[in-house]
Order: sequence, then C-alpha cells, then structure tokens
Amino acid sequence: DAGVTQSPTHLIKTRGQHVTLRCSPISGHKSVSWYQQVLGQGPQFIFQYYEKEERGRGNFPDRFSARQFPNYSSELNVNALLLGDSALYLCASSLSAGSGNTIYFGEGSWLTVV
Amino acid sequence: GENVEQHPSTLSVQEGDSAVIKCTYSDSASNYFPWYKQELGKRPQLIIDIRSNVGEKKDQRIAVTLNKTAKHFSLHITETQPEDSAVYFCAARSSGSARQLTFGSGTQLTVLP
Repeated sequence: DAGVTQSPTHLIKTRGQHVTLRCSPISGHKSVSWYQQVLGQGPQFIFQYYEKEERGRGNFPDRFSARQFPNYSSELNVNALLLGDSALYLCASSLSAGSGNTIYFGEGSWLTVV
Repeated sequence: GENVEQHPSTLSVQEGDSAVIKCTYSDSASNYFPWYKQELGKRPQLIIDIRSNVGEKKDQRIAVTLNKTAKHFSLHITETQPEDSAVYFCAARSSGSARQLTFGSGTQLTVLP
C-alpha cells in the first residue's frame, strides 16, 4: 500500500481559486478513486475511475472533476474553492473496479482554504 | 445508498485488554468489509478485510466477524498495546452499481498503559 503516491502533500489556497491534486496508483492497479476526509469524519467518496472512464460519482457539486490518464494516474480538480473544501483528499488504488478488490490509500493531500 | 453506522465513537481500554468495535450496514448487496486504522495526521491504513463469503478472519491479534443476516460486522483486537491507539474506521462496499466504499464515523481507541 505504500505505492500510492499523491502530490502535493500540503497546500493552502484562497477562496475562489482552483486546485489540482495528483495521484499515481500502485503499479499494476488500474482503478483510482478519490475521497474527501473532513477533520473528525470518515472519508467520503468523490469519484472512481477505471480504464480512464468514470465509474462512479459521489454526492459532490460540479466544481469537483477528475480524470484518469493512459498510465492510470489521475487528477482531481476543484474549482471556485470554498472554506468547506478544506480537508484531506485521499486517492485510493485497486487492481480493478470489482467490488471485492482491496483498496489502498495514499498519504493524502491536505488542502486548506482561507 | 449504503449507510454504515459505527459504535462506539470512543473506547478506552487498559493495555492487555480486548477492544471490540461494531458496525452495521444497510445494503444487503454489500460484499466487502475493510477496516482501516488512522493515526493522527496520517492516511487510513488497511488492517484487515473480510468478504461476504467468509464469517470470520484472523490476523494475529486482530479478527473480524461478519453476520450477513443481521448486516453487522465487528473488529476485535486482543492483548491491546499503546501503539494500537488510533481512530478505526469500518467500511462497506456494494457489489451493485455503486462500487465505492462507505465509511462509518470512526472510533477513537485509546489504550491506557
């Protein structure tokens, strides 16, 4: 599970700005998911991608978007940042999109919106 | 969609005692149930998982049990140590079209030396 890499690890943005977070899955994994974890809560699902296609979307506004590249890495974009977007953004990697696949999390990107 | 409830929210035990954390889920189509340990400022780390075709799984001091009929699953930690202190999250994943993990609200476990 140490193979999921995310960048940047920490960042501070101003309200109204946009942010791009990046993720590289474990080698050989083709599915990437994004989760938002607000302080004191469990992670909340944002997106799942498999083979460059969106396979699932959580209850997040259209300001959130993502994509997956041919090398299976992924980007999460958030536009028009709000204070409430401050959170730990976690990327998760699994072999495929199958429901029984083990999911491994990266170290996360800590986003602070001021 | 899936809903996962986790209890208790906080748990304090003496070193060497056992700790039990319980979760219930709502979607009978869920078939994968991982448990994550999260230390302060760090990512959730998978400690054990169980699939719906199995009723119990053990890994050294950690065990998970699953009751599909009642739709609940539990984490058991025996011989607790201070380094077990962390927040523990249960999660469930459906075999239906919604393949995401749905997490419980977390349990802050404190092991007192």
